Amino acid sequence: KNEVEQSPQNLTAQEGEFITINCSYSVGISALHWLQQHPGGGIVSLFMLSSGKKKHGRLIATINIQEKHSSLHITASHPRDSAVYICAVETSGSRLTFGEGTQLTVNP
Amino acid sequence: EADIYQTPRYLVIGTGKKITLECSQTMGHDKMYWYQQDPGMELHLIHYSYGVNSTEKGDLSSESTVSRIRTEHFPLTLESARPSHTSQYLCASSEWGRAEAFFGQGTRLTVV
Repeated sequence: KNEVEQSPQNLTAQEGEFITINCSYSVGISALHWLQQHPGGGIVSLFMLSSGKKKHGRLIATINIQEKHSSLHITASHPRDSAVYICAVETSGSRLTFGEGTQLTVNP
Repeated sequence: EADIYQTPRYLVIGTGKKITLECSQTMGHDKMYWYQQDPGMELHLIHYSYGVNSTEKGDLSSESTVSRIRTEHFPLTLESARPSHTSQYLCASSEWGRAEAFFGQGTRLTVV
């Protein structure tokens, strides 16, 4: 069993829909990261969370430390949001353990 | 905008060749990392460095080697490439005391 589990693995939505991607982890962490990977392979860091909730534009990330769970929400989704979204947890020594990613496709 | 660069972006090379993947960052970060990612799979840490002359192996065993002679530069070398090395290699850096990691664009390596 992976230390970091994401769901769903694949998600197809229509433009404008509200999207939620979930991440559960089984280890103690110091922080959780949400990353976005585009088809060309480049990765962008979206959020780093250690508690609560963060918002950036149409993106919202929440974390519940007690339940070892985080969610990434995209409001008013757009085709340019199509990418792989990766959850990564940071453990001791600033090591990152990654989930397998969620492939999001937003159709116009 | 992150100032971390990888070259080349794409590389197709024959079996047995020696290759070096370059990674440079201009942010003065002490910590740098190399990750390997097979298509559709998660990233795995193969090497990391916490500063000049510091290199450590990561969670995933790799036949590659790294060096850290300068803070800004963290090259990865394969002495003799094999088809099993075909993968994407991602470099990242971060600052002591801060968790945010900056990633390069990646190098997609194909060994034929």
